[in-house]
Parts: sequence; C-alpha cells; structure tokens
Amino acid sequence: TQLLEQSPQFLSIQEGENLTVYCNSSSVFSSLQWYRQEPGEGPVLLVTVVTGGEVKKLKRLTFQFGDARKDSSLHITAAQTGDTGLYLCAGVGSGGSNYKLTFGKGTLLTVNP
Amino acid sequence: GAGVSQTPSNKVTEKGKYVELRCDPISGHTALYWYRQSLGQGPEFLIYFQGTGAADDSGLPNDRFFAVRPEGSVSTLKIQRTERGDSAVYLCASSPRYRALTGNTIYFGEGSWLTVV
Repeated sequence: TQLLEQSPQFLSIQEGENLTVYCNSSSVFSSLQWYRQEPGEGPVLLVTVVTGGEVKKLKRLTFQFGDARKDSSLHITAAQTGDTGLYLCAGVGSGGSNYKLTFGKGTLLTVNP
Repeated sequence: GAGVSQTPSNKVTEKGKYVELRCDPISGHTALYWYRQSLGQGPEFLIYFQGTGAADDSGLPNDRFFAVRPEGSVSTLKIQRTERGDSAVYLCASSPRYRALTGNTIYFGEGSWLTVV
C-alpha cells in the first residue's frame, strides 16, 4: 500500500511569517500534486511536480520534489490570511493507474492577522 | 455548468436507510471520479468512470456501495443500509478524456456531506 505522510498536521502562524510543510511517500508515484481545500469546498489543484529535483513557483508558494521522487515540500513566503486552508499532497498512480490519486491527511494551516 | 455540481450538499439520514448522491460533471469531461473524505483525513478513492463504464471500482468499501453513470454524464452514488461509519463528505470530480492526471487537471465538486444518525 502506498502511503503519503504529511507534516505538520496543524500549523498556526502570524501573517507575514514564512512556513514549510512536508509530504513524504513510502514509494514512488508517477508524479505528485499539491491541493488546497477550504471549508465546505473541494480540493483545488495548485501544482503538479514530475521530475526529481524539480522546483516550481506559484507567486509566494514554492514547491520542491525530492531527487528520489518520494518527498516534496511546499514553502510559503510572507503568509497572508487568505492562505488559510487544508493543504493536501496527492500521488498520481503510475502506468495503468494514472487516473488514481492517493492523498495524505493534509496540513491544516491557519494564518492569523 | 461552470464546475462540478453535487447534490444534495448536506444529507442527514437514519441508520439503515438508502441514500443517493448525484454528480453533474463539467461539460465535455468523460472521466468522472468519486472520493470519500472522512473528518481529519484526505480524500480516499472510491470509483472511476471513463464514459459510461466503471473502469475501476476497487475503492468501494463493500457491496452496499454502488455507482452508475448511464449516459456518460451525470453519475449517482448509491448507498444501501447506511451505517454510522458511512458519515463523510463524498466528493465527485471530473477531468478531460484520455489524459493521465500527470498532464491533466482534475476538478472537484464541493461535496455532499452525509451524516448517518
């Protein structure tokens, strides 16, 4: 069974601070995706990382994929209250299972004003 | 519609009752997925449709759960003899046809929150 572990589970910070959340896998997926989910809504895709060592930036968010393609991190610079939400990483299945997502439990981020 | 639409948004039912949850995917998307998200957990895969057929139903927890998509668009998730452990948010998602998720985007609906009392 492929598992994704996310840490920390909860994170509460002040506006303007920087933060990093982590996603570690017990095995290799074909790619890894990061989602943000707000209360009462479905997850929304932020980014897909595919290549080991890859770094992608989305405004104040920086995503890294480990060289071995088993771990990833999300770094937020100068957090804003609008960044509050549940951040989920998800592994995309390989080969014939490339439609299936395996999610971690998520990191619940609260940014206080 | 503009996004994935799910109804009802909330459903409270008694243990043992039958429940249907409906999903209307984004127009033109032939791939449709159901996921279940329990409190404090990430979404868990239930079933995947490509067109009208269920290509993978390996995530359905037991035979009380069944899903259909008779015309390749709207899908219904059916739960028989509901149990308190079925309480969760049931998320539907869709994506364009014949493309792996690595190069593709899956769009989730807002979910149907099911509470079994």
